Amino acid sequence: QKEVEQNSGPLSVPEGAIASLNCTYSDRGSQSFFWYRQYSGKSPELIMSIYSNGDKEDGRFTAQLNKASQYVSLLIRDSQPSDSATYLCAVVNSGGYQKVTFGTGTKLQVIP
Amino acid sequence: SQTIHQWPATLVQPVGSPLSLECTVEGTSNPNLYWYRQAAGRGLQLLFYSVGIGQISSEVPQNLSASRPQDRQFILSSKKLLLSDSGFYLCAWSAVQRNQPQHFGDGTRLSIL
Repeated sequence: QKEVEQNSGPLSVPEGAIASLNCTYSDRGSQSFFWYRQYSGKSPELIMSIYSNGDKEDGRFTAQLNKASQYVSLLIRDSQPSDSATYLCAVVNSGGYQKVTFGTGTKLQVIP
Repeated sequence: SQTIHQWPATLVQPVGSPLSLECTVEGTSNPNLYWYRQAAGRGLQLLFYSVGIGQISSEVPQNLSASRPQDRQFILSSKKLLLSDSGFYLCAWSAVQRNQPQHFGDGTRLSIL
């Protein structure tokens, strides 16, 4: 059973701070990793994709990948109250059918 | 650009009634299609996926079924709903190329009475 682990939170950060969300995965052969944001009562929205070791930046978001440690993270700089949501880590499994395993998500609360 | 439509947005059904949820994708051909269920405060549970017309794979045995009558149409059905079928149902698509992300519809919130 391939697993994706996230701390459920809530992670509380003050407005303007950096929020750091972490994810570990068990499938050593995985090559593709995604972060989704899910507001309460809404569907998940893709916010970042990362495929190579290192950092990938998009606006206030930075995804970090370390395949050797099987670790993915998402940094949100200058956190805003509108960033308050649950963040899902998703990993494409290796093997024939590209099933995506989702973590259960980390709830982020940005305090004004 | 690609869009995914899912309806209805909310649905209240009595126990034992049938179910049909529909999802369509526009702007792409031969997408991979998925049905997920998300119980309140829980993670995403993959129910079905499809890599082509008429090709359906089930991840979890249950009283639900899925069909893909057209390339960009995916339908989730049940003949008799159970109380445990309540939840947030999400349709998603991904491109046929490897290592592509999934994109979700707006979801259907299903309540069974």
